[in-house]
Amino acid sequence: KAGVTQTPRYLIKTRGQQVTLSCSPISGHRSVSWYQQTPGQGLQFLFEYFSETQRNKGNFPGRFSGRQFSNSRSEMNVSTLELGDSALYLCASSFQGWEQYFGPGTRLTVT
Amino acid sequence: AQSVTQLDSQVPVFEEAPVELRCNYSSSVSVYLFWYVQYPNQGLQLLLKYLSGSTLVKGINGFEAEFNKSQTSFHLRKPSVHISDTAEYFCAVSVGNNNDMRFGAGTRLTVKP
Repeated sequence: KAGVTQTPRYLIKTRGQQVTLSCSPISGHRSVSWYQQTPGQGLQFLFEYFSETQRNKGNFPGRFSGRQFSNSRSEMNVSTLELGDSALYLCASSFQGWEQYFGPGTRLTVT
Repeated sequence: AQSVTQLDSQVPVFEEAPVELRCNYSSSVSVYLFWYVQYPNQGLQLLLKYLSGSTLVKGINGFEAEFNKSQTSFHLRKPSVHISDTAEYFCAVSVGNNNDMRFGAGTRLTVKP
């Protein structure tokens, strides 16, 4: 089975712009979670989608949003980018809800 | 809400020596516990998990962990490390069938020749 894929792998944006990141889960997995990883804050949970519905949400501002499509692929959007949004964004998929498989991440740099 | 504390931010160790990476959690309900490893510029890879049953859990790459409910700990151990085990290790906890997984701050394991 192919693993979790994330595109793009690297991205450079300027402050105020918006960005969309994509995640394709492992075939058969209906749950997709997103995490932000930074040196200062570590790994922080953003949100989780299951069958096209947001099931859980972390403590991030409304500038961070996501969606899931009927084929379980998910996108994450960040609007009005700030310098502090520079991070590695990780996507993870799971079948039964607790064993998560991670993608390689998207490295976002905001200048 | 559940939380995780990894007691050591960095652990240096010589090759072929044993290692223990410590993890404590807090939760008012039953938990699922995980250890993940992250190599540079990569995502996280699941090393092992505790869902229920035997408190000694064996994972990949020769790692094992022991769930201790009374001490709310889930320490990771390996009897003999290799240079290739150099990486960042994360302990994580989730509650029920809930993907709100909380991660520890990570422990940087450095294996020296």
